[in-house]
Amino acid sequence: DAGVTQSPTHLIKTRGQQVTLRCSPKSGHDTVSWYQQALGQGPQFIFQYYEEEERQRGNFPDRFSGHQFPNYSSELNVNALLLGDSALYLCASSLVGGGPSTDTQYFGPGTRLTVL
Amino acid sequence: DAKTTQPPSMDCAEGRAANLPCNHSTISGNEYVYWYRQIHSQGPQYIIHGLKNNETNEMASLIITEDRKSSTLILPHATLRDTAVYYCIVLDSNFGNEKLTFGTGTRLTIIP
Repeated sequence: DAGVTQSPTHLIKTRGQQVTLRCSPKSGHDTVSWYQQALGQGPQFIFQYYEEEERQRGNFPDRFSGHQFPNYSSELNVNALLLGDSALYLCASSLVGGGPSTDTQYFGPGTRLTVL
Repeated sequence: DAKTTQPPSMDCAEGRAANLPCNHSTISGNEYVYWYRQIHSQGPQYIIHGLKNNETNEMASLIITEDRKSSTLILPHATLRDTAVYYCIVLDSNFGNEKLTFGTGTRLTIIP
């Protein structure tokens, strides 16, 4: 049973550039959430996608956008990169409905983004 | 804002039980307690969750007080691989797939 996968593992960009991160959910899951984790901090919720639409959004600027594809995989796009965007970006997947036995979010290994 | 309070750090001897406390005094009736852990630079790993009753799985046990205002995660026989940051999260699963709000967690160090 494949777990959550993310690509790439590491990425280095310069200020002002744009980046796309990718996530494939755990088999059987239909919902993808994205989190940003700065060094020494806990993960912060960016947004969540379900049925190819943004379902919830955290306190992040419009430079952060996403997409979910019909196969439930997802992309996170960040435009006009700032030094402060350097972080570990985490993707978590889950299955809508069915109560707490199925709502549990499972995380991928993350993508380490460094902005120079 | 995180709804939980955890000690910033704890040590535990290898082979002993590690007991990690969490306070969630404002928890409401339909909110669950979830535990995740994060080993250095990896994605958070789901451990266990519960509502009212104590829960046990292959990784850990979760003890929730009767008033539900606090809980304890127990790793029965800690190993060096259990060294990680442990996060206690309160989550309303009635609405399904709510965002996870992480606090600062407890950094657990297992001592050989």
